[in-house]
Amino acid sequence: ETGVTQSPTHLIKTRGQQVTLRCSSQSGHNTVSWYQQALGQGPQFIFQYYREEENGRGNFPPRFSGLQFPNYSSELNVNALELDDSALYLCASSWTSGRPYEQYFGPGTRLTVT
Amino acid sequence: DQQVKQNSPSLSVQEGRISILNCDYTNSMFDYFLWYKKYPAEGPTFLISISSIKDKNEDGRFTVFLNKSAKHLSLHIVPSQPGDSAVYFCAASGDNAGNMLTFGGGTRLMVKP
Repeated sequence: ETGVTQSPTHLIKTRGQQVTLRCSSQSGHNTVSWYQQALGQGPQFIFQYYREEENGRGNFPPRFSGLQFPNYSSELNVNALELDDSALYLCASSWTSGRPYEQYFGPGTRLTVT
Repeated sequence: DQQVKQNSPSLSVQEGRISILNCDYTNSMFDYFLWYKKYPAEGPTFLISISSIKDKNEDGRFTVFLNKSAKHLSLHIVPSQPGDSAVYFCAASGDNAGNMLTFGGGTRLMVKP
């Protein structure tokens, strides 16, 4: 069973640029959630995708957007990067039957905005 | 407005003793609670969960207790092992069939040999 994978591992961008982060779900999972974890804090929910549609969103501005593909992989796009966007971005997958609360996380992408 | 709080940023215990990690929440709509463990350079790993209809759930060395009236839960690790040293996050859900986990700030546990 393949776990959740994310790419790239690290990324450095300049303020105002755009970034795309990628995630492959654990096999058998059809739901993907994205979280932002700032240094010294817990993960904060950005949004979730199910059947290629957004299925819930946290308190993040529209410049944070996402996609889910038919193979359940996903992208997180952030436009007009700000310094405060520097964080660890975590992707988590789950399945809608059973216990959807139990999400399985990838290792994250560390984004630094300068 | 932090709906899930872990008031102890760090905890140090001796190997073999009990580790108790605490978590408080304010949202009475939460009906499912989870604990995750995180090692450096890895994503959070699911550890144990509890539904609001229970007050205790046990899995090997790990037990989670839920006190709904106090809006408090705790994770007990007995006996603690050096490999348990990690950051532990408490998370809660209840909004729209669990599509969002609300996390606490984490507690760093150090188990000394």
